[in-house]
Amino acid sequence: QVQLQESGPRLVKPSQTLSLTCTVSDGSITSGGYFWSWVRQHPGKDLEWIGCINYSGSTRYTPSLRSRLTISVDTSKNQFSLTLTSLTAADTAVYFCARGTTWVDLWGQGTLVTVSS
Amino acid sequence: AILLTQSPSLPASVGDRVTITCRASQGISSALAWYQQKPGKPPSLLMHDASSLESGVPSRFRGSGFGTDFTLTISSLQPEDFATYYCQQYNSYPLTFGGGTKVEIK
Repeated sequence: QVQLQESGPRLVKPSQTLSLTCTVSDGSITSGGYFWSWVRQHPGKDLEWIGCINYSGSTRYTPSLRSRLTISVDTSKNQFSLTLTSLTAADTAVYFCARGTTWVDLWGQGTLVTVSS
Repeated sequence: AILLTQSPSLPASVGDRVTITCRASQGISSALAWYQQKPGKPPSLLMHDASSLESGVPSRFRGSGFGTDFTLTISSLQPEDFATYYCQQYNSYPLTFGGGTKVEIK
């Protein structure tokens, strides 16, 4: 059964760049025609879709983050990644990697990223 | 972006019939999914296309609606159903989620 696991820093300073990676295990990132997504959940409960990518590198981003966001894929490592620049406290959230570009049928466990000096 | 509106909380008791509503700011056909989330866990997909139940989800969960108004009904609330429920639209980008409805003990 395919599993997703996020990795990356837990604490980042304001104005710095966040880089997170999602490793896809027990399955190939190139199969099934899926898009692979990033979703975040702010303290409280709001869920926010960030963007997605497929194995060939085609991306879709949410407009509010587009200027600061890059999502990339590395099929040789079965991974996809998120880079978010110019961080502020408003970027503090649990970041989930996920599968799906319509509904999301598979989620990673999530990683809490705190933006603080 | 399409805004999805949910009531923030819904007090209920075991055995109750529970109805959770989700209203879209514009028509989204049946492009709606429902998720259940428990504390410290990722959301879990319950259904898509407004009413298509995911494999393994108990039949007490039922979804309905089209256009702008949608409901998730739990026919007889079980102890494990106390959780937060989110709707999500995929009619157009960006994908958006409702604010969540927490089903809590009355």
